[in-house]
Amino acid sequence: DTGVSQNPRHKITKRGQNVTFRCDPISEHNRLYWYRQTLGQGPEFLTYFQNEAQLEKSRLLSDRFSAERPKGSFSTLEIQRTEQGDSAMYLCASSSRGDGYTFGSGTRLTVV
Amino acid sequence: AQSVTQLGSHVSVSEGALVLLRCNYSSSVPPYLFWYVQYPNQGLQLLLKYTTGATLVKGINGFEAEFKKSETSFHLTKPSAHMSDAAEYFCAVDSSASKIIFGSGTRLSIRP
Repeated sequence: DTGVSQNPRHKITKRGQNVTFRCDPISEHNRLYWYRQTLGQGPEFLTYFQNEAQLEKSRLLSDRFSAERPKGSFSTLEIQRTEQGDSAMYLCASSSRGDGYTFGSGTRLTVV
Repeated sequence: AQSVTQLGSHVSVSEGALVLLRCNYSSSVPPYLFWYVQYPNQGLQLLLKYTTGATLVKGINGFEAEFKKSETSFHLTKPSAHMSDAAEYFCAVDSSASKIIFGSGTRLSIRP
């Protein structure tokens, strides 16, 4: 297990299209997190899972955003009807409590 | 509610000089504290963490940080800066047993 894997690394999409990102966490970590980072800012919390249960969602996560973690393994983040304001780096991380997070390299989304 | 304030969005030091990046936090319960580093177009890498016990924490690449409860601070230091230290640094707090909240980041530049 080499760490947290995110795919794709880059995604360019037209406004109004749907996009889906995937995150494969470290296998022994039961917690999985999604963050969004815009240029010059720190990561902003979006949502997190403990095993397959989605325990918290940020107000940043509008109705166009949905995240899943079937069977408590990998996770997907879908954005419907993308807007230019959705352009950002989407970061996934996994952890066990108190150990700090291990981050993936992120998926950079550009909406044109 | 928990929050993190990083003083100085940009810090510039000479190679070989002391590095000091400032972080203050707000938390109603004893927090876990973290410093992460981010290189361009990459995810975040954990530098060091404070959970309990010794308040002076040593991390990777020669960095260390001291937890000062009375000052609600967790400043990051390195005795001698190296060119490879140029990056974005994020302080983060976890006091909710659910998610980490990040500061807005400090960009560290190293002058030859």
